[in-house]
Amino acid sequence: GENVEQHPSTLSVQEGDSAVIKCTYSDSASNYFPWYKQELGKGPQLIIDIRSNVGEKKDQRIAVTLNKTAKHFSLHITETQPEDSAVYFCAASLLGGWGKLQFGAGTQVVVTP
Amino acid sequence: NAGVTQTPKFQVLKTGQSMTLQCAQDMNHEYMSWYRQDPGMGLRLIHYSVGAGITDQGEVPNGYNVSRSTTEDFPLRLLSAAPSQTSVYFCASSYSMFGSDTEAFFGQGTRLTVV
Repeated sequence: GENVEQHPSTLSVQEGDSAVIKCTYSDSASNYFPWYKQELGKGPQLIIDIRSNVGEKKDQRIAVTLNKTAKHFSLHITETQPEDSAVYFCAASLLGGWGKLQFGAGTQVVVTP
Repeated sequence: NAGVTQTPKFQVLKTGQSMTLQCAQDMNHEYMSWYRQDPGMGLRLIHYSVGAGITDQGEVPNGYNVSRSTTEDFPLRLLSAAPSQTSVYFCASSYSMFGSDTEAFFGQGTRLTVV
């Protein structure tokens, strides 16, 4: 089955700097890659996603890039703010959508003022 | 609009006890699922349902039962709790498993401790 590895496990950044989280996946047939943000005591919330027919997608300060050849995808957060502090999860799916997602282990992001 | 509601938020069980984690959604979503979240392991799929009367196993189904008698509810049953089931459990729902516009909505989670 699919295996998703996520790095780093923790990331500390100064407010205003950029943060990058990287994930690799094992099954070349995976075709849907969402990113979730989880704040303390809450459930994960989708922040951005990308499908295998797209190389990059941006939404304000957040962007995701996908390299199908290398089987990795990354989350980029620019101009970080304290409210970006959270745990971020990447995931991959073979189904083109949200069903049966395989999640990475998560990255704890801490943005210091 | 309440979204996805999980009850209880916290629970302590003794080994061997049984309990049901409740999950309800008011968005008329067909697809519902249960995940468990353990430190350093992300979320792992336990069971899922693509509609009333239809359920299937996920990655870690052992020790858990589910049923889906209505579109709104998807309870998770632990028949004989074990310490290995200590975890945070999340229920999620979505309009569909496939294609576009399939954003999943997660509940707030149930933190379960088995002693």
